Amino acid sequence: DIVMTQSPDSLAVSLGARATINCKSSQSVLHSSNNKNYLAWYQQKPGQPPKLLIYWASTRESGVPDRFSGSGSGTDFTLTISSLQAEDVAVYYCHQYYSTPRKTFGQGTKVEIK
Amino acid sequence: EVQLVESGGGLVQPGGSLRLSCAASGFTVSSNYMSWVRQAPGKGLECVSVIYSDGSTYYVDSVKGRFTISRDNSKNTLYLQMNSLRTEDTAVYYCARHTTYYYYLDVWGKGTTVTVSS
Repeated sequence: DIVMTQSPDSLAVSLGARATINCKSSQSVLHSSNNKNYLAWYQQKPGQPPKLLIYWASTRESGVPDRFSGSGSGTDFTLTISSLQAEDVAVYYCHQYYSTPRKTFGQGTKVEIK
Repeated sequence: EVQLVESGGGLVQPGGSLRLSCAASGFTVSSNYMSWVRQAPGKGLECVSVIYSDGSTYYVDSVKGRFTISRDNSKNTLYLQMNSLRTEDTAVYYCARHTTYYYYLDVWGKGTTVTVSS
């Protein structure tokens, strides 16, 4: 199985400041056939299901604010919130969909307001 | 509107059974790869089972032989039959749709809670 490790486990950021979450996979999730990284990011607010934010490592889902961005390739990825808003308080998960049949998630990163 | 609505959760004793349902609207379950993802209290996300569009199935080792994923095409509904339940199966269970083949999960239900306790 591909193990996904996020860092940090939690972070507190001031309103309007940048938040950066890292995700590292135990093996590359870059598919050579199409040069795509099979990596997604989800946001989960308390009491709610996860919500898709980013897929193919850097493509924003429709309706997701442009303060959210994804970057990285191979085994190292980053989710950046450029200017944290109060409504961004949540747990964020990375997810690899490279391996079949088992897809795996990172352990989650909790983002709070400082 | 594309939507998934789970039901069937509840409190059950260890060794008991439950059947979860996930009613879909706005798309056809049988044309998509569909997963059950669970989240234990205060924990992260775990894919426990998937059914492919061709009907093939996969289970994580911890539920293999105890859980069965299926679908009813006439009702456009996904199921998870859970037998021999253990306390460690306690979680919120989400059904979710994979987009285009077996890629990321683009539609999630609100979840149903399963509590296994004596």
